[in-house]
Amino acid sequence: KQEVTQIPAALSVPEGENLVLNCSFTDSAIYNLQWFRQDPGKGLTSLLLIQSSQREQTSGRLNASLDKSSGRSTLYIAASQPGDSATYLCAVSAGGFKTIFGAGTRLFVKA
Amino acid sequence: GAGVSQSPSNKVTEKGKDVELRCDPISGHTALYWYRQSLGQGLEFLIYFQGNSAPDKSGLPSDRFSAERTGGSVSTLTIQRTQQEDSAVYLCASSFGTNYEQYFGPGTRLTVT
Repeated sequence: KQEVTQIPAALSVPEGENLVLNCSFTDSAIYNLQWFRQDPGKGLTSLLLIQSSQREQTSGRLNASLDKSSGRSTLYIAASQPGDSATYLCAVSAGGFKTIFGAGTRLFVKA
Repeated sequence: GAGVSQSPSNKVTEKGKDVELRCDPISGHTALYWYRQSLGQGLEFLIYFQGNSAPDKSGLPSDRFSAERTGGSVSTLTIQRTQQEDSAVYLCASSFGTNYEQYFGPGTRLTVT
């Protein structure tokens, strides 16, 4: 059974700091891994999607890596800003449709 | 273009009543997903539709839950005889297919009193 774990559960950093969020999964037979952010009371916003054959994806200040063999992904946020404060969720898709989410990392960036 | 929309945004219902939640996916997206997010819990997969294929209902928590997708577009999630433990945010997502980025709607917050 696929399980997704995110560490840390919560993180508070000063503005401008670079940070790394971690995601691990137990079954390496995945199709893709997706990172989302969720603002309080809102739906999820897709940040990056990494296919199983890819090692990383970049979008602006965000970089996500995938090491399928070790069951790990990291989301790197450069030069963090208060607007980055949100919950970041990692999700893996296996079998094409059933998507398993981690519990998320709550990030607070202090001005 | 328009994103995924859901209605209503909030629904308060009495225990034992039936409720219907609606999802309008992004035009052209063939895959549609329903998830549930309970307070303090992660997202829980409920059901998945892909084109005209039979839906994957493996995540539905009980037979009180059902969903349909008409014409390959709009989907309705129905909860019969609601219970207090059904209180949660119900999220819908759509994508071009099974291995593509999922786009989420804003969710419907259901409160069962």
